[in-house]
Amino acid sequence: AQSVSQHNHHVILSEAASLELGCNYSYGGTVNLFWYVQYPGQHLQLLLKYFSGDPLVKGIKGFEAEFIKSKFSFNLRKPSVQWSDTAEYFCAPSPTGRRALTFGSGTRLQVQP
Amino acid sequence: GAGVSQSPRYKVAKRGQDVALRCDPISGHVSLFWYQQALGQGPEFLTYFQNEAQLDKSGLPSDRFFAERPEGSVSTLKIQRTQQEDSAVYLCASSLPLGVVNEQFFGPGTRLTVL
Repeated sequence: AQSVSQHNHHVILSEAASLELGCNYSYGGTVNLFWYVQYPGQHLQLLLKYFSGDPLVKGIKGFEAEFIKSKFSFNLRKPSVQWSDTAEYFCAPSPTGRRALTFGSGTRLQVQP
Repeated sequence: GAGVSQSPRYKVAKRGQDVALRCDPISGHVSLFWYQQALGQGPEFLTYFQNEAQLDKSGLPSDRFFAERPEGSVSTLKIQRTQQEDSAVYLCASSLPLGVVNEQFFGPGTRLTVL
């Protein structure tokens, strides 16, 4: 069974639209939570991360994510997307104590100017 | 450069050939990871090194896959007798060992195509 679920495989938005990408996981214990982004032709890079504390996490380029423990979710949000946000986004909730990352299947975001 | 580098960037192999993929981590990064990313999927963990010690190889799909990091810096992922299902992008990542989990810095990947 897949441990990480990213519900949206391909999202198309117009500039200035709001974005929310879903991520759910099925681990029973504590987790460390990451979102990575891959811009066209570039490496995977960290967008934001959550280990503990305030469940609302702010990352680079205006992105944020909220950890809702009761829903096993770590959804990514941005109030107003830009054309330059066109990329593939990967959620990686990984069980605490496991050094390797466990990635979801990714969401391709296309922002139309 | 200061990032993780991988070579070759592209590799085409005939089924049954052996291949070797190289990863140069960021200088000073103790931890090194290999991932396999099939088309349309997220990266999947293969193996993990801390310095020269291979601490986790649970993700290696078969005994045809072998990784080493003999001096604790450069790492090589070797695939013997390649099969078509080995076609994927192979990603290397490195990180500092500050605490249990840290940001992993990824290389550009090696795209392997097995004909």
